[in-house]
Amino acid sequence: SAVISQKPSRDICQRGTSLTIQCQVDSQVTMMFWYRQQPGQSLTLIATANQGSEATYESGFVIDKFPISRPNLTFSTLTVSNMSPEDSSIYLCSVALYREGTEAFFGQGTRLTVV
Amino acid sequence: GIQVEQSPPDLILQEGANSTLRCNFSDSVNNLQWFHQNPWGQLINLFYIPSGTKQNGRLSATTVATERYSLLYISSSQTTDSGVYFCAVGFNTNAGKSTFGDGTTLTVKP
Repeated sequence: SAVISQKPSRDICQRGTSLTIQCQVDSQVTMMFWYRQQPGQSLTLIATANQGSEATYESGFVIDKFPISRPNLTFSTLTVSNMSPEDSSIYLCSVALYREGTEAFFGQGTRLTVV
Repeated sequence: GIQVEQSPPDLILQEGANSTLRCNFSDSVNNLQWFHQNPWGQLINLFYIPSGTKQNGRLSATTVATERYSLLYISSSQTTDSGVYFCAVGFNTNAGKSTFGDGTTLTVKP
């Protein structure tokens, strides 16, 4: 498996501000993903972070709200822009690695509270 | 898209009891994983099991792909087993993109 480090692990932010979450992997990976987990809910895929091109967003998520960077094969950032209390969630970075099949591995998550 | 249903939504056990968690999915998939989310939010990989049976210590899992369900068995439960168990499914051609069920929240009481 890979070691996936996310920063920050938690933050409390004022509404209207933006927060950038970093995800660092200890090996080169082709596929990186960002998920959101709202309080008491399951995980929902926000977007696929593509190296060298724009991210691919899932229905209901837009680039203006969740801009993503992927400058190389080991690093990605997710920005949560113009935050409101509804953005309070855990944000998780994920990578896909091939072992027996294609398996997803997750960072420890960033717990965001917007006040 | 694929629908993933997990049952039961909540489960309370006494330490030492056994349990079975179920995951039903609406379409044929070739990628299925079970995760445990601990109280700190960390997702821990338990099994990659698109078909067949696997065991790891007190945990085992079985997926019957033709009938579109998977089962996670926990034997001799411990308080450290508490947390949320998620089933996630997908396709290897869509590598890494997973659809998660709503999870089963397990509470093991001492």
